[in-house]
Amino acid sequence: EIVLTQSPGTLSLSPGERATLSCRASQSVNNNYLAWYQQKPGQAPRLLIYGASTRATGIPDRFSGSRSGTDFTLTISRVEPEDFAVYYCQQYGTSPPEFTFGGGTKVEIK
Amino acid sequence: QVKLQESGPGLVKPSGTLSLTCAVSGDSISGKYWWSWVRQPPGKGLQWIGEVYLGGTTNYNPSLKSRVTISMDKSKNQFSLRLSSVTAADTAMYYCATSTYWSLHHWGQGTLVAVSS
Repeated sequence: EIVLTQSPGTLSLSPGERATLSCRASQSVNNNYLAWYQQKPGQAPRLLIYGASTRATGIPDRFSGSRSGTDFTLTISRVEPEDFAVYYCQQYGTSPPEFTFGGGTKVEIK
Repeated sequence: QVKLQESGPGLVKPSGTLSLTCAVSGDSISGKYWWSWVRQPPGKGLQWIGEVYLGGTTNYNPSLKSRVTISMDKSKNQFSLRLSSVTAADTAMYYCATSTYWSLHHWGQGTLVAVSS
């Protein structure tokens, strides 16, 4: 089973700052099967990025995803007030087929 | 645009069976998606429960596999979750979602299920 470790646990930023969220996999993730979600209080998660770097429909271009080996990064180029939320990474494993999530990073107002 | 809506009892007794349904609108359940269930205990992270595809093919979280059944009803355009032998640890918000491109694209609003006597 692949374990995803997200860091930091909490990120305190001011609007307009750059946010860099990390997701480290315990072993290689197949074919960029890595996604990022945003969840606000009382709401369902929303898909932001899939395939490690493809933005989902309607997601602003200030959100971007990248990969370096087993390290994945979600970057928010300039944090907007509506971006303060919890962010989860997720990978899809094929043996056995299953989705697993990281523990989440909370982006809070500084 | 596909829309999902969960429904089912909000309270289940310990050792009982949790049963939820997800109604699908805006697309056919016989189409391109896999159909997933995800849960989130209060104040905690996300846990994938399992998924079902056309023809009834299923994949389950290994940690829950012995207690989970996910099925689909094409005539009603909906899919269902059954989780047996529940305990307080199964108290959570339960979401249904579409699975495609190895990610969960569309989500229902969720339904809270408490396990308590």
